[in-house]
Amino acid sequence: QVQLQESGPGLVKPSQTLSLTCTVSGVSISSKTYYWSWIRQPAGKGLEWVGRIHSSGRRDYNPSLKSRVTLSLDTSKNQFSLRLNSVTAADTALYYCVRLGKLLTVDFWGQGSLVTVSS
Amino acid sequence: QSVMTQPPSVSGAPGQTVTISCIGNTSNIGAGSDVHWYQQLPGAAPRLLIYANTDRPSGVPDRFSGSRSGTSASLAITGLQTEDEADYHCQSYDSTMTHVLFGGGTRLTVL
Repeated sequence: QVQLQESGPGLVKPSQTLSLTCTVSGVSISSKTYYWSWIRQPAGKGLEWVGRIHSSGRRDYNPSLKSRVTLSLDTSKNQFSLRLNSVTAADTALYYCVRLGKLLTVDFWGQGSLVTVSS
Repeated sequence: QSVMTQPPSVSGAPGQTVTISCIGNTSNIGAGSDVHWYQQLPGAAPRLLIYANTDRPSGVPDRFSGSRSGTSASLAITGLQTEDEADYHCQSYDSTMTHVLFGGGTRLTVL
């Protein structure tokens, strides 16, 4: 079955770069059928889409984060990654890596990785 | 601030029916973009509840139903049960299918 697992530091200092990796099992991220995406959720708040990446190399980002976000794929490890630079406390959130299926539904979720931005 | 608007909270007694709205605009729902709904139980990741406005994945009870009209969509839950107490999120996308959009989420309390 499809599984996604986030990994990365749980604490990042302000102005530094947040980096997370998602390891995917049960499906190849090289599949042309799916986009791979990140969604974040600050404590007690709603979901915010960060961006998506496709095996073709296409990337799309939330306009509000576009200047600070980079998504990448490592097909040899079946992983995809998020980098968010110049972080502030407002970037503190639970970060989910997910698979986008048909009609951009989120059909598989990771368990989430809590990232706190603090000095 | 989310592009799509949901009420922050709704409540109902066991057995009752509640409806959660998701109001978009002419650039998303009103442009024909599909709406999906997710249920997020406390401490868990969201799970897909309704997709393509009205369809239920296998395993989702038929007490949950969705609809879309104009620039808005709704999730109805009939025969409320205590285990329905959760956060509910609507999701759509822009008219070019480039950006994923979420509502602000609605907390359902079963009294």
